[in-house]
Amino acid sequence: DTEVTQTPKHLVMGMTNKKSLKCEQHMGHRAMYWYKQKAKKPPELMFVYSYEKLSINESVPSRFSPECPNSSLLNLHLHALQPEDSALYLCASSQDPGTKNIQYFGAGTRLSVL
Amino acid sequence: ELKVEQNPLFLSMQEGKNYTIYCNYSTTSDRLYWYRQDPGKSLESLFVLLSNGAVKQEGRLMASLDTKARLSTLHITAAVHDLSATYFCAVDPTGANNLFFGTGTRLTVIP
Repeated sequence: DTEVTQTPKHLVMGMTNKKSLKCEQHMGHRAMYWYKQKAKKPPELMFVYSYEKLSINESVPSRFSPECPNSSLLNLHLHALQPEDSALYLCASSQDPGTKNIQYFGAGTRLSVL
Repeated sequence: ELKVEQNPLFLSMQEGKNYTIYCNYSTTSDRLYWYRQDPGKSLESLFVLLSNGAVKQEGRLMASLDTKARLSTLHITAAVHDLSATYFCAVDPTGANNLFFGTGTRLTVIP
């Protein structure tokens, strides 16, 4: 099983709303990632969690707040977003941090900020 | 500044034809990944190339890596419609499995 599950699949929110994206994997992977993908562009790395600890924050604005409650679950809390934050948000996981492991991606959450 | 450029950005080819997608990157990376993305879908891993001269093949796709030239190729043999998708290469410049994706090549195979 190489499944990474993301919920919701679609999300529409206003600029004053607070919402959360959820990502789950049951492959025993210890590295989890958040990527942002704008339309017709490549994915861009946002955050990396290694063994439930935040190891990489690629200068992401504080209106995005990641959380890793346990080794299987990764959340992305959203607050006061801007319309330019509308994008596909992809979660990925890999077996071990810092090794030559394939990242497995979820189907993504398509976010629209009005 | 790290750059990962793919060529071409758009490719329209007839079924049965052969073609090569190129991925050039500007910094050292000891591995290179190829992913496929269908419209509105997630990314599917195709290949991981771990050393200079590595070649991997799966079906009609073959990937190679030249770390000295900082170049990877994805060769398509006898294209079929099911191969229509966007193909991304990705490098790992820090060695920490933090991927930096190329610009993508949108492939359309015409019957």
